[in-house]
Amino acid sequence: DAGVIQSPRHEVTEMGQEVTLRCKPISGHDYLFWYRQTMMRGLELLIYFNNNVPIDDSGMPEDRFSAKMPNASFSTLKIQPSEPRDSAVYFCASSFPGLLSGELFFGEGSRLTVL
Amino acid sequence: QQPVQSPQAVILREGEDAVINCSSSKALYSVHWYRQKHGEAPVFLMILLKGGEQKGHEKISASFNEKKQQSSLYLTASQLSYSGTYFCGTGRETSGSRLTFGEGTQLTVNP
Repeated sequence: DAGVIQSPRHEVTEMGQEVTLRCKPISGHDYLFWYRQTMMRGLELLIYFNNNVPIDDSGMPEDRFSAKMPNASFSTLKIQPSEPRDSAVYFCASSFPGLLSGELFFGEGSRLTVL
Repeated sequence: QQPVQSPQAVILREGEDAVINCSSSKALYSVHWYRQKHGEAPVFLMILLKGGEQKGHEKISASFNEKKQQSSLYLTASQLSYSGTYFCGTGRETSGSRLTFGEGTQLTVNP
């Protein structure tokens, strides 16, 4: 299996621009998670989906952030408008179906720099 | 609430042992351990579930004390490849698949 695939790997943008990060989970996994990692705050859960339905978005910092999962093989995390404090590595992870708190398979991450 | 890891950093010589601790103020259902190398994604090491036994993964093992809401990761006879940042992630029964990660422990193994 190819693992969790994220794109882009690196994104540099200017404040105010829209940013879209993409994720393809491992086939057959029905949980998908978006995490953000910074030196100051560590690994933070932003939102997670089960069977394409958002379950918990309490970690989404503000309305500028939105996430969708239109089908089982694709999810997006959008930031509009972006701000310098959004600079971080954004990880997508997926896990096996039906397993509470199961092993997370992380993608390689998308490193976002907002100037 | 974020679990607390200790120590924040540790430096070892190859072959030495280390213990990394993770504690929570909340009742836990599960504890996950992950290792992340610089510039890479976190990689799963093991899960300990409430009521479960101590687990091992080669020379890396862990324990989970439910009463104290604590877990410890034991690295014995450390190898250079063990270098990285170790994260514990804690799950609660009421939180579904939501994990809260600690700040990480940076482990450096020198020759």
